[in-house]
Amino acid sequence: AQSVTQPDIHITVSEGASLELRCNYSYGATPYLFWYVQSPGQGLQLLLKYFSGDTLVQGIKGFEAEFKRSQSSFNLRKPSVHWSDAAEYFCVISTGTASKLTFGTGTRLQVTL
Amino acid sequence: NAGVTQTPKFQVLKTGQSMTLQCAQDMNHNSMYWYRQDPGMGLRLIYYSASEGTTDKGEVPNGYNVSRLNKREFSLRLESAAPSQTSVYFCASSEFISGQETQYFGPGTRLLVL
Repeated sequence: AQSVTQPDIHITVSEGASLELRCNYSYGATPYLFWYVQSPGQGLQLLLKYFSGDTLVQGIKGFEAEFKRSQSSFNLRKPSVHWSDAAEYFCVISTGTASKLTFGTGTRLQVTL
Repeated sequence: NAGVTQTPKFQVLKTGQSMTLQCAQDMNHNSMYWYRQDPGMGLRLIYYSASEGTTDKGEVPNGYNVSRLNKREFSLRLESAAPSQTSVYFCASSEFISGQETQYFGPGTRLLVL
């Protein structure tokens, strides 16, 4: 069975600083990977996804993620964080079959001014 | 496009009461899903419907029933609510492009069972 680990429960960064949120997965083949963001009291918004091809994926709001097969990782990055990026971020794995999404437990990002 | 919509946004129930959570999507997606979100546990799949007329159990189906009313609508019913069902419930629908699925989520329903 597949699994996703987000080792950081909570991260605080200053506005303008760079950000990296970690995600590690376990799956026997190449997975489909997603990052979603959940603002307080809101639903989940898709930031970016990786299915195949270029391992550096660009998303919305200036986010990017890099798929590293050798490290079983899919870390999310942003060069300069804005206060509006404060939210909870979920790394998600899919094995490609309908309904088989597995969510990480989330990383809560706090941005200080 | 409104995307995925859910009603109600917030509900308080007493133990033993029943209620139905409504979900609709206007993206012409075949597959729809119900999840619950609890602190520190991410989202867990309750039920899903791969297409109109079909439903299947997910990871945590006990205490819930679903109805895929038509292609647009997928409802979740709690027949006899329990405090353990206090949670945030998310509906999602998905598109398949070249065999690859992407799910889109509604804003959620916050349910408190006393």
